[in-house]
Amino acid sequence: SAVISQKPSRDICQRGTSLTIQCQVDSQVTMMFWYRQQPGQSLTLIATANQGSEATYESGFVIDKFPISRPNLTFSTLTVSNMSPEDSSIYLCSADGGVGTDTQYFGPGTRLTVL
Amino acid sequence: GENVGLHLPTLSVQEGDNSIINCAYSNSASDYFIWYKQESGKGPQFIIDIRSNMDKRQGQRVTVLLNKTVKHLSLQIAATQPGDSAVYFCAENVGSDGTSYGKLTFGQGTILTVHP
Repeated sequence: SAVISQKPSRDICQRGTSLTIQCQVDSQVTMMFWYRQQPGQSLTLIATANQGSEATYESGFVIDKFPISRPNLTFSTLTVSNMSPEDSSIYLCSADGGVGTDTQYFGPGTRLTVL
Repeated sequence: GENVGLHLPTLSVQEGDNSIINCAYSNSASDYFIWYKQESGKGPQFIIDIRSNMDKRQGQRVTVLLNKTVKHLSLQIAATQPGDSAVYFCAENVGSDGTSYGKLTFGQGTILTVHP
């Protein structure tokens, strides 16, 4: 299984600023994903981070608000731009388990509070 | 913690009992299902998975049952322990059709509390 780390683990940010979250996988993976989990709720997929091309966003999420990078097969970043208190949430990175698997493994999450 | 689920179903059991957590999924085209366990302050942890060509799969102390007729998934935990207390999520994958490859849709989650 893939081991995934995220930085930062938590942050408190001011309204109007941006935060970039990093996701590192310990092995090369095909698919990486970014999810949002609001307090007490389930996970919602933000986008699929594609290596070498633009991310694929889900309905309700746009690139200007959540720009994503995927420079190689082990790393991705998610930026939360022009933050408002409504962006306070847990942001989770996941990756597939390797070629030929559909299983996804998750990082520990980044707990974001926007004041 | 952040998993105090005002809106999530809850299940309370005594240590040693068997637990059954249920999930109704939405897409009849889904062909792969995963159960995750999420402890407070952590990311979801893979427990067990099942493909749509199976109706039962067993792991260590856990069994997943799949009923495609009624689009229902369940997770059975044998001899539940206090360390099993967490939020449990089912997730479905609609398959590698070129547009939804790898995408998971998560259920609402169930809070399991195990009393010593």
